[in-house]
Amino acid sequence: AQTVTQSQPEMSVQEAETVTLSCTYDTSESDYYLFWYKQPPSRQMILVIRQEAYKQQNATENRFSVNFQKAAKSFSLKISDSQLGDAAMYFCAYRRNFGNEKLTFGTGTRLTIIP
Amino acid sequence: DTGVSQDPRHKITKRGQNVTFRCDPISEHNRLYWYRQTLGQGPEFLTYFQNEAQLEKSRLLSDRFSAERPKGSFSTLEIQRTEQGDSAMYLCASSLDGTGGGYTFGSGTRLTVV
Repeated sequence: AQTVTQSQPEMSVQEAETVTLSCTYDTSESDYYLFWYKQPPSRQMILVIRQEAYKQQNATENRFSVNFQKAAKSFSLKISDSQLGDAAMYFCAYRRNFGNEKLTFGTGTRLTIIP
Repeated sequence: DTGVSQDPRHKITKRGQNVTFRCDPISEHNRLYWYRQTLGQGPEFLTYFQNEAQLEKSRLLSDRFSAERPKGSFSTLEIQRTEQGDSAMYLCASSLDGTGGGYTFGSGTRLTVV
């Protein structure tokens, strides 16, 4: 079974600084996707960024980028120029690319932005 | 299309009562998922539909839980004889088969069993 581990329950960062959230996962499959989701206090889960396992190039979305290390099964999220609106729970998630494409989530990291 | 809608947003019920939640996915999405999220945890998979067919159910989904998706459109999740341990956020999400993208989540239904 696939597992996703987020070892940082809480992180904080000064506004405008850079922060990195860690995620590791375990799978025996080779074809899968990895995601970072953001869940603000309003609760709705929002997709931040995704990475396809067969792509070596790290995904980027504006201020958000990932460091995908497939061999190490590591998938960290870097947030540059942190803004107050980035404060939220961040969940790392895995899904395989066939069959039941259910998401397996980590336990989340609560990110606080310090003004 | 305004995204994935869930109703109600909050539900407080007495132990032993039945409750039903509704999810309206994005209209062109053929896959629909239900997740449960307890405080401080990530969402856990409950069940999913491809069109109207329910293709997988988690072990978390006891016999008291049932889900339907008639005609492959909206879905309902019913919990019979609720227990305090059922208190959680119930999230619905939808996706389009084969696109490789993430899901679109609804805002969830928070259930409190008293």
